Amino acid sequence: DQQVKQNSPSLSVQEGRISILNCDYTNSMFDYFLWYKKYPAEGPTFLISISSIKDKNEDGRFTVFLNKSAKHLSLHIVPSQPGDSAVYFCAASAARYGTASKLTFGTGTRLQVTL
Amino acid sequence: GAVVSQHPSRVICKSGTSVKIECRSLDFQATTMFWYRQFPKQSLMLMATSNEGSKATYEQGVEKDKFLINHASLTLSTLTVTSAHPEDSSFYICSARGASGGRLPDTQYFGPGTRLTVL
Repeated sequence: DQQVKQNSPSLSVQEGRISILNCDYTNSMFDYFLWYKKYPAEGPTFLISISSIKDKNEDGRFTVFLNKSAKHLSLHIVPSQPGDSAVYFCAASAARYGTASKLTFGTGTRLQVTL
Repeated sequence: GAVVSQHPSRVICKSGTSVKIECRSLDFQATTMFWYRQFPKQSLMLMATSNEGSKATYEQGVEKDKFLINHASLTLSTLTVTSAHPEDSSFYICSARGASGGRLPDTQYFGPGTRLTVL
């Protein structure tokens, strides 16, 4: 049972344009969401997070949007740069319910930023 | 940001041997550490949650006697794969969660991972 889904396994975007990565979840207990970036043979790097009390969080080129009614979040990267090419994982937790920040990960989306 | 190290980064061993992987939080105290494994082109799967000074909590389907976890201090957790077999070959990643003191959940910071190959 995949509670966090990233339906696009890959995405190709031209340098300078906007990259939009999507994530859907099914567990209504999730109240904290994170995006991680991962290069091959390395551990994930934290990018940005959002709590369910917000619908948007911005940090530099990265913005995460949360639509609780649709159980959907997205990561926007603008402008996209070649160094952004990596696999992006969406993760969710139900911290409010005392599960010690246990994260459930999506399957990842491979972003390729082309010149 | 917070730094988490893992050692070794890569290990090759013979079937039947045991392998120990270390996970250290270098610049913060980690009240909780997590161990994940990742198969090629798949997501990270949580294996166990490790709290300093107490027994680890294993996810369903993970054999606690095969994957021994010790969280001896606030900066070190170890995962020992006992009697390793080829099907244990995988990419093992740890993460550490510190205490921010805030009301939002603490972010997990990941180590670089350990590639285990069992021959």
